[in-house]
Amino acid sequence: TQLLEQSPQFLSIQEGENLTVYCNSSSVFSSLQWYRQEPGEGPVLLVTVVTGGEVKKLKRLTFQFGDARKDSSLHITAAQPGDTGLYLCAGGSGSARQLTFGSGTQLTVLP
Amino acid sequence: DAGITQSPRHKVTETGTPVTLRCHQTENHRYMYWYRQDPGHGLRLIHYSYGVKDTDKGEVSDGYSVSRSKTEDFLLTLESATSSQTSVYFCAISERGGILFNEQFFGPGTRLTVL
Repeated sequence: TQLLEQSPQFLSIQEGENLTVYCNSSSVFSSLQWYRQEPGEGPVLLVTVVTGGEVKKLKRLTFQFGDARKDSSLHITAAQPGDTGLYLCAGGSGSARQLTFGSGTQLTVLP
Repeated sequence: DAGITQSPRHKVTETGTPVTLRCHQTENHRYMYWYRQDPGHGLRLIHYSYGVKDTDKGEVSDGYSVSRSKTEDFLLTLESATSSQTSVYFCAISERGGILFNEQFFGPGTRLTVL
């Protein structure tokens, strides 16, 4: 069974601060995705990374896939209250038809 | 936004009663998934479908069954609901399940309470 561990589980910061969320596993994944979920809604896909060492930027969000494709990080620069939400990482394996989700990081950005 | 609806959005039921949740998509995607979300556990896969009448079990399938008679509909049934099945249930769809880019699109969720 593949497991994804996310850290920290909870994070509360002030507007304008930077933060990093981590997603780690002992298993290799062929792809890794990050989703954001707001209260009362389903998760929404932010990005997919597939190559070891890959870095993708989405405005103030920077996503990195580890060289060995076992871990990933999400860095937010100058966080805003609109970034508040549950961030979930999910790993995919080429032969499997399903994703493995991490338990999530609940981010609160205070104005 | 992907065209995914779930019904009902909220349901309260009693232990031992059968419950069916419906997921409907208008995207004609091949793959459909049912997850449950509980605090501290993230999203856990219950069952998924890779085509009409083709389904498989996920991580937490005990106590649940599914059916898919049409591409657009995926039903999740709790034959005899228990309090441990109180959760938020999400349906998801994917066009290319398991082939590198298993990007999933989620419905709005169903909050189920079993008393």
